[in-house]
Amino acid sequence: QSALTQSASVSGSPGQSITISCTGTNSDLATYNLVSWYQHHPGKAPKLLIYEANKRPSGLSNRFSGSKSGNTASLTISGLQAGDEADYYCCSYAGYSTSVIFGGGTKLTVL
Amino acid sequence: EVQLVESGGGLAQPGGSLRLSCVASGFPLRSYWMSWVRQAPGKGLEWVANMRQDGGEQNYVDSVKGRFTISRDNTKNFLYVQMNSLRAEDTAVYYCARLRGGVWYFDLWGRGTLVTVSS
Repeated sequence: QSALTQSASVSGSPGQSITISCTGTNSDLATYNLVSWYQHHPGKAPKLLIYEANKRPSGLSNRFSGSKSGNTASLTISGLQAGDEADYYCCSYAGYSTSVIFGGGTKLTVL
Repeated sequence: EVQLVESGGGLAQPGGSLRLSCVASGFPLRSYWMSWVRQAPGKGLEWVANMRQDGGEQNYVDSVKGRFTISRDNTKNFLYVQMNSLRAEDTAVYYCARLRGGVWYFDLWGRGTLVTVSS
């Protein structure tokens, strides 16, 4: 099964908001509301940001929010900070045999 | 501290084998599904394998089926992956991750261990 589709890069200035989109198919995003988002600073452990499309883990800043409509999920980061510069990945459940699939990742640059 | 720490990575020849380990601390491994996820150089994350809490259910990405075997020792809080018939395309950082079964998200990750397959 092919990876979910994400734009390769996005940028924004400190304080601004950006949105990263993730597009799937009827086999994954369109069928299941089980999409999650991860932040990954190279060399470090990836970090869960959003699960079940729009839920935040306890203690995570509310600057991070998620949504889903049809076969597209979105991650919005508001009030951009320098520390937000990282790679961001979406992930969706895709059924019993496939389990989960990731997006190709989006590199966020804070200008 | 709740954490996962991987080990066992290194250089292997094509066709060779490696076994990666992941030790869990701060929580009982027996209570969670666990996974391996990898990232090839310059590429994105790719799910590799899952295992249910009791070891009774396992799933693998098609590219490693028949070559990789995920296992666990809940008494020692260890997760493993035995990697055989290694190929150059298996070169990646391998992450151990805690998976919330049923809702399918990874809520805890290790920092990874690098596997390089090259002659």
